[in-house]
Amino acid sequence: DAGVTQSPTHLIKTRGQQVTLRCSPKSGHDTVSWYQQALGQGPQFIFQYYEEEERQRGNFPDRFSGHQFPNYSSELNVNALLLGDSALYLCASSSAHNEQYFGPGTRLTVT
Amino acid sequence: ILNVEQSPQSLHVQEGDSTNFTCSFPSSNFYALHWYRWETAKSPEALFVMTLNGDEKKKGRISATLNTKEGYSYLYIKGSQPEDSATYLCAFGNKLTFGTGTQLKVEL
Repeated sequence: DAGVTQSPTHLIKTRGQQVTLRCSPKSGHDTVSWYQQALGQGPQFIFQYYEEEERQRGNFPDRFSGHQFPNYSSELNVNALLLGDSALYLCASSSAHNEQYFGPGTRLTVT
Repeated sequence: ILNVEQSPQSLHVQEGDSTNFTCSFPSSNFYALHWYRWETAKSPEALFVMTLNGDEKKKGRISATLNTKEGYSYLYIKGSQPEDSATYLCAFGNKLTFGTGTQLKVEL
């Protein structure tokens, strides 16, 4: 079991660009959540996907969008990147309302 | 906005010391309280999920208690070892509102 995997591990983008981050959940999990961790902060909840739909959303602008595929994998898209979007983006998967398992994260740097 | 606070922010202890840290959270509408250990360059690792007032959970030398009425949880580490060095995060609720973590460094 590969656990939760994320790609890429690191990414550098320029302000105004768009980025797509990917997550494959742990085998048997059907729910994917995305978090942003800025330097010195705890992870902040972005949104959660279940059955290919956004089920819950945190306090993030519409520039942050996502998608879940039939195989439960998920993408996080961020449009019109700002310097403040530089952070570690974590994906976590779970089944039903059980504990969440985290991936290693994608480090995004916006210059 | 849910306020989840952890203290202390960082902690240095000697090998063999026992230590504990605190997570405080809103006492209303409690759903669950999670503890995670996050080692540098690794994924956060789930330690405990606590759902009932008075819950006590244990995994090896690490244990946790929960008081939902007053809104706090304690994490205890007995006989700290260098491999316990990590950031310990608590998270509240279904959407996991995280605290900022306690960074533990265990020195030889």
